[in-house]
Order: sequence, then structure tokens, then C-alpha cells
Amino acid sequence: NAGVTQTPKFRVLKTGQSMTLLCAQDMNHEYMYWYRQDPGMGLRLIHYSVGEGTTAKGEVPDGYNVSRLKKQNFLLGLESAAPSQTSVYFCASSYGGGREKLFFGSGTQLSVL
Amino acid sequence: AQKVTQAQTEISVVEKEDVTLDCVYETRDTTYYLFWYKQPPSGELVFLIRRNSFDEQNEISGRYSWNFQKSTSSFNFTITASQVVDSAVYFCALSGFGGSSNTGKLIFGQGTTLQVKP
Repeated sequence: NAGVTQTPKFRVLKTGQSMTLLCAQDMNHEYMYWYRQDPGMGLRLIHYSVGEGTTAKGEVPDGYNVSRLKKQNFLLGLESAAPSQTSVYFCASSYGGGREKLFFGSGTQLSVL
Repeated sequence: AQKVTQAQTEISVVEKEDVTLDCVYETRDTTYYLFWYKQPPSGELVFLIRRNSFDEQNEISGRYSWNFQKSTSSFNFTITASQVVDSAVYFCALSGFGGSSNTGKLIFGQGTTLQVKP
């Protein structure tokens, strides 16, 4: 039972570099989410998707892009990384969106130097 | 706009004490869902409970209990006879429907760090 898988688990970037975080779920969930977790800020929603081919902005979308080309995958991209994007990133999925519990991945620790 | 406030940043108790974690929410939606999640030191996020806006019954699950009061927009979480294994960050979360909120968007509070000392 894989559930929600995030790759990579750790990454260090230099300012200005780009990268993509991959989230994959095997539960056939329609809804997928990307959150970032920072000390004292809790979990903040970056982008989310309510189905294949759809994406929507969350609370803190600036500096990030996402794509949901396949139902099971939700990609988070940083085109030009900044130190302010140093954070722990969590992907989550859900069968019923905000009506049902979220299943979370194990997180990605990203440091931007 | 939706908002979740967990005013207690950190709480420290001694094992076997009871502890209540506060959660206050704001929403204009008539239908909404409230959640609690636990994040132990290992980092994963674990679902604890879901409550919808039409069900104000309190719930008890072992040493855990939840008090939902629409009149005060609160959804508080109590741990009875706390144990060291309860040490974690606890998050309250809210999703709303039917109003200005987008379907499926789940907003979290800032989290409360609970430390249970032996």
C-alpha cells in the first residue's frame, strides 16, 4: 500500500535554480494538494487540483507552478528558486476534496541557498 | 474568507494531566467540515477526526475528545490522561462549501506543539 509518494525527500538548491517535485498517489483520488510547512505558519496551501487536467491557486501560489496531466500525479515546479522557498513541502490527496480526510505524503525538505 | 486560529503555540504538560487544544474558525459558508491532524516528531501527518457543520455532537475516542460549538465557532480537542506518545504538533483545519470558498480547499491553522513530559 504505497498511498501518496513524494520524490525527492531532500533537496538543496542554489538561488535561481529550478526543480520539480513529484507526487504520485495510487488511490484513484480526484483531489490533490501541495502544502508548505514553515515554523509558526502551519500548513499553507500552494496549489490544488480537483481532477485530471485542472489546477487552482491556494493561499501562497507565487513562485510555483503545477500540473496534473495524469490523475495519479501532481507536479510542483519552482522555476527560479528563492531562499524564501526553503520549507518542507507536503503533497496530499483525497477522494472527496474538503469533505474527506487527506492522505499525506512523507514530505520533501527543500533548502534554497 | 476562511480562517483557522490556534492561539496556543506551545503547551507543556506532565504525563497524566488533561490538556485542551483550542481551535477557532471563521467561515461564511453554511456547510463546512472541520478536521484535526496530528504530526508526531517523525513528521508524517495523521488524520484524527472530521466533523461537519450540521453535527454538533461531541465525540470521544479513547483518551481523545472533541467539543464542537457553532455558537462560538470553536472545535476544541482534549486529551485525557496525557502520555509521552501524545507529544506532537496538532493541526486544526477547515473546508467550506456553498459560499465564497472553492470546493475542496482545506485551510489549516498554525498548529499547537504539545510536549508531554514524563
